[in-house]
Formats: sequence, structure tokens, C-alpha cells
Amino acid sequence: GAVVSQHPSWVICKSGTSVKIECRSLDFQATTMFWYRQFPKQSLMLMATSNEGSKATYEQGVEKDKFLINHASLTLSTLTVTSAHPEDSSFYICSASRDTYNEQFFGPGTRLTVL
Amino acid sequence: TQLLEQSPQFLSIQEGENLTVYCNSSSVFSSLQWYRQEPGEGPVLLVTVVTGGEVKKLKRLTFQFGDARKDSSLHITAAQTGDTGLYLCAGALEYGNKLVFGAGTILRVKS
Repeated sequence: GAVVSQHPSWVICKSGTSVKIECRSLDFQATTMFWYRQFPKQSLMLMATSNEGSKATYEQGVEKDKFLINHASLTLSTLTVTSAHPEDSSFYICSASRDTYNEQFFGPGTRLTVL
Repeated sequence: TQLLEQSPQFLSIQEGENLTVYCNSSSVFSSLQWYRQEPGEGPVLLVTVVTGGEVKKLKRLTFQFGDARKDSSLHITAAQTGDTGLYLCAGALEYGNKLVFGAGTILRVKS
């Protein structure tokens, strides 16, 4: 149990375009979903926390107009990187929580490359 | 300053050796998780510890939660090449639902 999928697994796009990443909890309802960014050989950097039906809470320094988060249901959250630029290239990972001891279950990640 | 200090940052050992990774904080956590991550993949939850002083074993991996719930350790016995990866500790603060992550330990086990 506690499987989280993420799609796409990788994407290459041109500068200025928008990219949408989906995160789904496949076998449980997630009370909260989280979006992280990770640089090579580094730990995870929390970008935002999202709850179903409400606005996402962004961490300090994360532009909410740049990284749009929608949490349409208890099993689906999306992250849209708007007007992507090369500096947005990174590994983006989502996680879903069942609120049991605040355990988070992570998706496989999405490698975004902006040319 | 990291809220959760993880050490060592890098560890390169021979197959068969033992190792310990530490996570320390001045904050109290309601729970603490350990994850293992391979390159290009998401972190995989290894264990969750909740009670101060708790010890959990997962085959050759032993996890300990400090009595005051401020620190934790991961001990691997007789490391294997398959243990290679990035190990992350993450603590849940007693308020809110976010996790505080350590900086990670990159473990390389050589054959």
C-alpha cells in the first residue's frame, strides 16, 4: 500500500512554455500532498503544501504565480511550472500523507529540463 | 542552520563493514522517518519511529529514536553494495504536518 505515482517522469521543454506535473495517490486518500524540489546529491527542498479543495501554502521564496498548485481531489495534485526558464530545470518530487505519524510517501519524481 | 543535523554527509565503505548515520536536533519530534533514495527516483520510506527510546530493526538495518525524541540513528550491519544510496532522516515537528529533512548521507558500498 501507499503508492504514489507521478507523471511525466521526465520532460524537456522550451523556455517560456508551461509544464504540468501530476501526482496521484493510487491506493489511499491523501489528506495532504507536498511538492519538493531536489538538486543533485542534495536533500529535498519543500516548495509547497497542498490540501484538497484549498489554496496551497508556499514556502518562503517560492513564487506562487510561477509554481501553480491545484489539489483537485484527495488523490490528485498538480504542479504547473509557468513560463519555464532554464533555472527551473530540476528534479521535482511530490509526496502524499495519510496523516499517520506524518508519514509521507513519495512519487518517483519528474526530471524537468528547460532549454 | 539545519534544524535536523545529519552526519556524515558522505560515507564510502567496503562491503561487509558496519556503519552508523546520525540525525540530531534541538527540537522534539512527534515522529521521525528514515528514507532511502536512489538516483533518479523518489525517496522510499524505510521506517517510522514514534516513541522515545524506540528501536526498530529491518533486516540488517537498526533504527533508534532518542529518549527525548530529538535524535535518531541508523545502523547498518555488514553493508552490501545494494545499500548504496542517499539516506534521509525527516522529523515531524509536534505542530503542523510538514517534515524537516536532514541534509542526507550519500552512502557508497564498494565490493
